[in-house]
Amino acid sequence: EVQLVQSGAEVKKPGESLKISCKGSGYSFTTYWIGWVRQMPGKGLEWMGIIYPGDSNTRYSPSFQGQVTISADKSISTAYLQWSSLKASDTAMYYCARAYSGGTQDAFDIWGQGTMVTVSS
Amino acid sequence: QTVVTQEPSFSVSPGGTVTLTCGLSSGSVSTSYYPSWYQQTPGQAPRTLIYNTNTRSSGVPDRFSGSILGNKAALTITGAQADDESDYYCVLYMGSGIWVFGGGTKLTVL
Repeated sequence: EVQLVQSGAEVKKPGESLKISCKGSGYSFTTYWIGWVRQMPGKGLEWMGIIYPGDSNTRYSPSFQGQVTISADKSISTAYLQWSSLKASDTAMYYCARAYSGGTQDAFDIWGQGTMVTVSS
Repeated sequence: QTVVTQEPSFSVSPGGTVTLTCGLSSGSVSTSYYPSWYQQTPGQAPRTLIYNTNTRSSGVPDRFSGSILGNKAALTITGAQADDESDYYCVLYMGSGIWVFGGGTKLTVL
């Protein structure tokens, strides 16, 4: 079974760093783009960026470029979303998702369960 | 930046048919935008319904179909059921590996 399992909920203070994870299983992790989607409380989905774990080629939405870092460790089939200095406005649910095939034009088809990040002083 | 537009809300009667649309603030949606559709109920992760304009994801009933209607992508639900009451999001491919979600449509079945 193809699945993505995300790390657990986090509660952090403004200015702290954070790295959340998304572990893929049941498929060849290196040959599918995997990405991240933000959902702020009560709001819609926002596409953040994607990574190709085979060569770490990464694309970011202009809205998130420079705000977060997407990375992957193909040796353990895990993708990451990282912040160096969290803000209260980063409070949201974050979903990872896998593209249905190996092209950047291939939409997400498999989703993780989500990781809730709460940033509060 | 290009904005992807969706109806904020829609309602449909049980057993009825509804078509939700996905457009652009400037220009027309074509298959080159690889429109995809997702369903999300409160507290749940999104579920993929349609990708690449009209391909149903695994396990999605054929009551859900995707198309291009005029200058927009469209998601049509036929024989609406109570558990179709959800938020529906489209996403469009903007090129260079970048996608943009629409604001979502809240569908009520009543």
